[in-house]
Amino acid sequence: DIVMTQTPLSSPVTLGQPASISCRSSQSLVHSDGNTYLSWLQQRPGQPPRLLIYKISNRFSGVPDRFSGSGAGTDFTLKISRVEAEDVGVYYCMQATQFPLTFGGGTKVEIK
Amino acid sequence: QVQLVQSGSELKKPGASVKVSCKASGYTFTNYAMNWVRQAPGQGLEWMGWINTNTGNPTFAQGFTGRFVFSLDTSVTTAYLQISSLKAEDTAVYYCARGELRYFDWLSSRFDYWGQGTLVTVSS
Repeated sequence: DIVMTQTPLSSPVTLGQPASISCRSSQSLVHSDGNTYLSWLQQRPGQPPRLLIYKISNRFSGVPDRFSGSGAGTDFTLKISRVEAEDVGVYYCMQATQFPLTFGGGTKVEIK
Repeated sequence: QVQLVQSGSELKKPGASVKVSCKASGYTFTNYAMNWVRQAPGQGLEWMGWINTNTGNPTFAQGFTGRFVFSLDTSVTTAYLQISSLKAEDTAVYYCARGELRYFDWLSSRFDYWGQGTLVTVSS
């Protein structure tokens, strides 16, 4: 199975400041079709997960442009350019390149 | 708009069974896979597997074979998760999530819409 490792576990951020979350996979997420199926999900307190980013850097419908994804191969990053109060929650990376689909352990974003 | 609406919380005794429903609307049900994800209390997300909404064929991740059943009723655009012989460690929130299916390797490329979750508590 592909292991997804996220750092940091927790990220206290000042409102209006940037935040960055790293996700590393135990093997390359480049699929034989040439795509890299790495997604980022946000889970606000008491809410279900919500898709933010898919295929490394594509924002899903309705996702604010302060969220951006980057990376390649085994190393990926989610950035929030200016954290807002509504961004508090846990963020997960997820790989859908290989069976079984696997998630990172999560990174908690909280306000300082 | 796309919606996945799940059934309400359940409290079950060890050894009992539970059936969670996931009612889909706002899209053509059979054009997308339905995935199931478990989240134990205070823990992360774990993919349980998926069901092909065209054929009804289920696929399970390791650790979710035997006591777990995925099923469908396409007439009411609803997917179901049934767990039998419940154990305390099955206590979790269970989510359904729509998957954009890749037909060449039968995996979902992304989980774009999620149900609100169903809390299943197993306790004597």
